[in-house]
Amino acid sequence: QKEVEQNSGPLSVPEGAIASLNCTYSDRGSQSFFWYRQYSGKSPELIMFIYSNGDKEDGRFTAQLNKASQYVSLLIRDSQPSDSATYLCAVRVYSGGGADGLTFGKGTHLIIQP
Amino acid sequence: AAGVIQSPRHLIKEKRETATLKCYPIPRHDTVYWYQQGPGQDPQFLISFYEKMQSDKGSIPDRFSAQQFSDYHSELNMSSLELGDSALYFCASSRSSGKVVVYEQYFGPGTRLTVT
Repeated sequence: QKEVEQNSGPLSVPEGAIASLNCTYSDRGSQSFFWYRQYSGKSPELIMFIYSNGDKEDGRFTAQLNKASQYVSLLIRDSQPSDSATYLCAVRVYSGGGADGLTFGKGTHLIIQP
Repeated sequence: AAGVIQSPRHLIKEKRETATLKCYPIPRHDTVYWYQQGPGQDPQFLISFYEKMQSDKGSIPDRFSAQQFSDYHSELNMSSLELGDSALYFCASSRSSGKVVVYEQYFGPGTRLTVT
């Protein structure tokens, strides 16, 4: 079982609606959680990061973290066609140093329908 | 804002050849990470360096090695290339020390390696 699980989709959402992306992780030592957006053939672009339980909002994006349930989510409000991409959930497990590699989920392919 | 720079952007090699990929982190970032992303796959962590020393190690093959230099740039050396090494190779950077610590990793544009 992969350490970070995401529904691969595709997730189809009408333009202007809220897109909800979910991610679960297995390692309780996970401390930092990241959402990256990746267009085909391009590099991952950091959208949001969250370290503490609760919600974190940045513009149209809200990240939610529940460490007890080992669950992290990303909400995209007022979805735009340009939001169509693969969204990667990534987890950092603290190992004592500051340069821990990230473990990624397989990504959710999001399609915003005009 | 300045971003991570990677070179070359595209590289074509034959089996059993060697390749060297370069990464220049965001200014004032002291930590670099290397990831490999195969077609249709998620990025897989290879190795990271902080202050010129190896910090964390992932699924990096023994045929690969890497180092970080005094100016914080990093090079990934790949030998005895195999067809399965064809992938996108990303470098990411962060800042792990100082008054402002930025653990978030910012990715470069990647190097597309094709092994024939």
